[in-house]
Amino acid sequence: GQQLNQSPQSMFIQEGEDVSMNCTSSSIFNTWLWYKQEPGEGPVLLIALYKAGELTSNGRLTAQFGITRKDSFLNISASIPSDVGIYFCAGHAREPGTASKLTFGTGTRLQVML
Amino acid sequence: DAGITQSPRHKVTETGTPVTLRCHQTENHRYMYWYRQDPGHGLRLIHYSYGVKDTDKGEVSDGYSVSRSKTEDFLLTLESATSSQTSVYFCAISEYKLGGADTEAFFGQGTRLTVV
Repeated sequence: GQQLNQSPQSMFIQEGEDVSMNCTSSSIFNTWLWYKQEPGEGPVLLIALYKAGELTSNGRLTAQFGITRKDSFLNISASIPSDVGIYFCAGHAREPGTASKLTFGTGTRLQVML
Repeated sequence: DAGITQSPRHKVTETGTPVTLRCHQTENHRYMYWYRQDPGHGLRLIHYSYGVKDTDKGEVSDGYSVSRSKTEDFLLTLESATSSQTSVYFCAISEYKLGGADTEAFFGQGTRLTVV
């Protein structure tokens, strides 16, 4: 099956720092999604990307759909303590209207020091 | 928050016993999914449904079955639970929208299952 490599696996950063993480695929996707998961909760959708080269922001979060369609990046600016959690990328390679079978990365665990 | 309720939230069961997990949605979404989450593996798709009585296998479907008799309910059954099925199980839903937005799956809060 398709593989998604997400890096880094974990990050321990200072409050106020910017954060970058990325996801690469062995094959082409036509949709990239970024989720955040907090302890004891399900993943929550942060950003959705549908076009190669697309750059989308959601508050302090910015994500990009790579030109090759095999990668995506998530940046968090000026991190705050509530950014703590696990961030997952997810990709999809099917045509619109068919069932959504997302492939997930293994996650980036973010911890923020005060 | 999407109206997704999973039950039970926690369960401990013995090896060899049948277990059924329930996912209930109030969004009238067409697609429903069951994922399992394990350390080092992220989220892996078990089964999914694209309509009432329409289901298909995901990448880790062995040992699991599903049923969907109503739009709002999607059941996951472990016919004979094994220790390897100890995991956190998540239900997700999505709906077809023009432009590809049906890939935006929304997740429930999860069911933590322990098989002893």
